[in-house]
Amino acid sequence: AQTVTQSQPEMSVQEAETVTLSCTYDTSESDYYLFWYKQPPSRQMILVIRQEAYKQQNATENRFSVNFQKAAKSFSLKISDSQLGDAAMYFCAYRRYSGGGADGLTFGKGTHLIIQP
Amino acid sequence: NAGVTQTPKFRVLKTGQSMTLLCAQDMNHEYMYWYRQDPGMGLRLIHYSVGEGTTAKGEVPDGYNVSRLKKQNFLLGLESAAPSQTSVYFCASSYGLENTDTQYFGPGTRLTVL
Repeated sequence: AQTVTQSQPEMSVQEAETVTLSCTYDTSESDYYLFWYKQPPSRQMILVIRQEAYKQQNATENRFSVNFQKAAKSFSLKISDSQLGDAAMYFCAYRRYSGGGADGLTFGKGTHLIIQP
Repeated sequence: NAGVTQTPKFRVLKTGQSMTLLCAQDMNHEYMYWYRQDPGMGLRLIHYSVGEGTTAKGEVPDGYNVSRLKKQNFLLGLESAAPSQTSVYFCASSYGLENTDTQYFGPGTRLTVL
């Protein structure tokens, strides 16, 4: 079974600075997807960024980028120019490639990100 | 489009009572999922469906049943609620195609079992 580990229960960063959230995973699959989801106090799960394992190029979405290291099974999220609205729980998630996602996502336990003004 | 909606948003049950959570999506998605989120944990998959009339077990299916009689709806049932089922329940849906498969989540249902 796949596992996803987020080793930082909580992170704090000053507004406008850069912060990196860590995620490692364990899988025997060669093809898979990785995701970062944001969960603000409203509870809504919001997709931040996704990465296909077969792509060597790291995904970016505006201020959000990932550092995907397939051999090390590492998938960190970098948030640049942190804003107060970035404060939330961040979850790393994994989905294997085969089966069209039928077996759902495997989530880490989350990192609580605090933005200090 | 409303996206993914869940009914109810909050519910309190007594041990042994039954209830059904309703998930509806208006995006014509084939796949639908039910997850639960407990404090200090990520979401865990309870059951899922790959199309109308189909259901399958996820990681933590015990104590729950599901039905997908219509493509747009996915029901999660608790026949005899237990305090261990106190949690926040999320429904999600996706197209089910490899290259476009992003799961969209509902707002969640907070369930307390006393």
